Amino acid sequence: DVKVTQSSRYLVKRTGEKVFLECVQDMDHENMFWYRQDPGLGLRLIYFSYDVKMKEKGDIPEGYSVSREKKERFSLILESASTNQTSMYLCASSSSGDRAYEQYFGPGTRLTVT
Amino acid sequence: TQLLEQSPQFLSIQEGENLTVYCNSSSVFSSLQWYRQEPGEGPVLLVTVVTGGEVKKLKRLTFQFGDARKDSSLHITAAQPGDTGLYLCAGETDSNYQLIWGAGTKLIIKP
Repeated sequence: DVKVTQSSRYLVKRTGEKVFLECVQDMDHENMFWYRQDPGLGLRLIYFSYDVKMKEKGDIPEGYSVSREKKERFSLILESASTNQTSMYLCASSSSGDRAYEQYFGPGTRLTVT
Repeated sequence: TQLLEQSPQFLSIQEGENLTVYCNSSSVFSSLQWYRQEPGEGPVLLVTVVTGGEVKKLKRLTFQFGDARKDSSLHITAAQPGDTGLYLCAGETDSNYQLIWGAGTKLIIKP
């Protein structure tokens, strides 16, 4: 079974802090994704990566950056956290080829910025 | 802009009833996925439909892809409390492995 793990289930940070969210997958997937999920808005893509050191902006990259130094690990960075970044953050991975669109998710990190 | 609209947004029914939720778009998708998300967890892939008109069954869940590959439905027969969750549909785009996501249908099955 694919396993995607996220470093924290719950996180509380103060405005202006730098926040690191880490995601690790154990299935040797090429593609990794960071989403945020807010009620009524569905999943919105922040960034994704299709290879080590490669990244592409999603729909809402402002205020975020990412790092992928190893294939299995994809980090999301909030350079200076703001209250409007309070959300559920979901990491996902997928393989390449025919099943590239089938994404496997971690349990999520619920981030509160006060 | 490609959009996926899910309806209803919220559905609360009694155990044993049947229900259908919908995922509609004006765009054509190469494939469409359905996911279920339980509270406090990430979405879990249920099924992928690829061919127009395709029907897939997963126990009491029946998934259908529209003939024109613009819409899909999920039918649950004899719903059980364990079916409670947020059901999300997602469509395959042409670029960069990105999915277009619906906002979800929140389903509650009361015992």
